[in-house]
Amino acid sequence: RKEVEQDPGPFNVPEGATVAFNCTYSNSASQSFFWYRQDCRKEPKLLMSVYSSGNEDGRFTAQLNRASQYISLLIRDSKLSDSATYLCVVNSGNKLVFGAGTILRVKS
Amino acid sequence: DTGVSQDPRHKITKRGQNVTFRCDPISEHNRLYWYRQTLGQGPEFLTYFQNEAQLEKSRLLSDRFSAERPKGSFSTLEIQRTEQGDSAMYLCASSLVRDEKLFFGSGTQLSVL
Repeated sequence: RKEVEQDPGPFNVPEGATVAFNCTYSNSASQSFFWYRQDCRKEPKLLMSVYSSGNEDGRFTAQLNRASQYISLLIRDSKLSDSATYLCVVNSGNKLVFGAGTILRVKS
Repeated sequence: DTGVSQDPRHKITKRGQNVTFRCDPISEHNRLYWYRQTLGQGPEFLTYFQNEAQLEKSRLLSDRFSAERPKGSFSTLEIQRTEQGDSAMYLCASSLVRDEKLFFGSGTQLSVL
């Protein structure tokens, strides 16, 4: 079993839609959680950290459920520029473990 | 540009040759990581340094791979006797010890023919 699992998608949504991605992780000792965004042929870039209380950054909301070892990312009012791969990231010891990513395609 | 820089951006080599990649982290970052990414997969951890000390190495990393970070500044990743399965994007990232947020370089795309 992979340490971090994500639905690969792709999620094809119209502009303005709300879309949610989920991620599960296997290491119950993990303490830090992130979502990274990766555009085609580019490096991953930090989108947001995920806190136990849940957190919001503009149109993006991230939530953590430690009991179920589950992380989510909600994107409201999707823009064409949101099209990318979204990587769920969890710490394991001193390193960050990346999921395989979920592809989002926003269409006009 | 004060971000993470990697050189070269692309490397094409023949099977059996040795290759070396360089990474220059953000100057105040004392942690430096190497990851490898293939198409359709997320970045896979290879190794990391805190200052000049290599503190962890993936058990998936064969003996053909070696990394150094002399003086705790730039790092090099060498692959000896390359194989076609080594073809991937090699990503370097850096961070502060107190903050796990990784900042990635643009990567080195390796193609082994």
